[in-house]
Amino acid sequence: AQTVTQSQPEMSVQEAETVTLSCTYDTSESDYYLFWYKQPPSRQMILVIRQEAYKQQNATENRFSVNFQKAAKSFSLKISDSQLGDAAMYFCALIIQGAQKLVFGQGTRLTINP
Amino acid sequence: EADIYQTPRYLVIGTGKKITLECSQTMGHDKMYWYQQDPGMELHLIHYSYGVNSTEKGDLSSESTVSRIRTEHFPLTLESARPSHTSQYLCASSEVGSEQYFGPGTRLTVT
Repeated sequence: AQTVTQSQPEMSVQEAETVTLSCTYDTSESDYYLFWYKQPPSRQMILVIRQEAYKQQNATENRFSVNFQKAAKSFSLKISDSQLGDAAMYFCALIIQGAQKLVFGQGTRLTINP
Repeated sequence: EADIYQTPRYLVIGTGKKITLECSQTMGHDKMYWYQQDPGMELHLIHYSYGVNSTEKGDLSSESTVSRIRTEHFPLTLESARPSHTSQYLCASSEVGSEQYFGPGTRLTVT
């Protein structure tokens, strides 16, 4: 069975600064995908970034980047130049290649202080 | 932008009523999912479907039922709503082994 753990229930950061959200996972499979999702208050869940396990290069999407450490089974999300609109719940998720279901972490609530 | 829709967005209903939450997607995805989520909390998978005429129960036991008669449509039904069913219900769809696209959710309150 796969598990995803987000050990930080809440994080806060000053606007324009950088914050890193942690995620660790456990799986015995070698082919899988990892995701970070963002859920703003009362708004739709959207995909922030995706990482294929076979790729060594860390994924980047504008101000969002990941630090993927496959051996350590770690997948942290770095948000640079934080903006007020980044305030949301962030969920880390894992899916095994060919599997039907995503496995989600517990979520981290990110607050941006102006 | 993902094309997945849920109606209604908000529903307040009395105990004992039958309700159906609608979910539709226009991406042709075979896989569809229903999650239950209390505000600010983690997601719990309650139902999923591999394709037409296939449905499976998720990780969290639920009194709701689902059907999948058409690829694009995956409604969830509660035969007799109770206050314990008060929650947010999220629908999602995906291709095999890929990211899921989420609808806007239905926030259900049972009084």
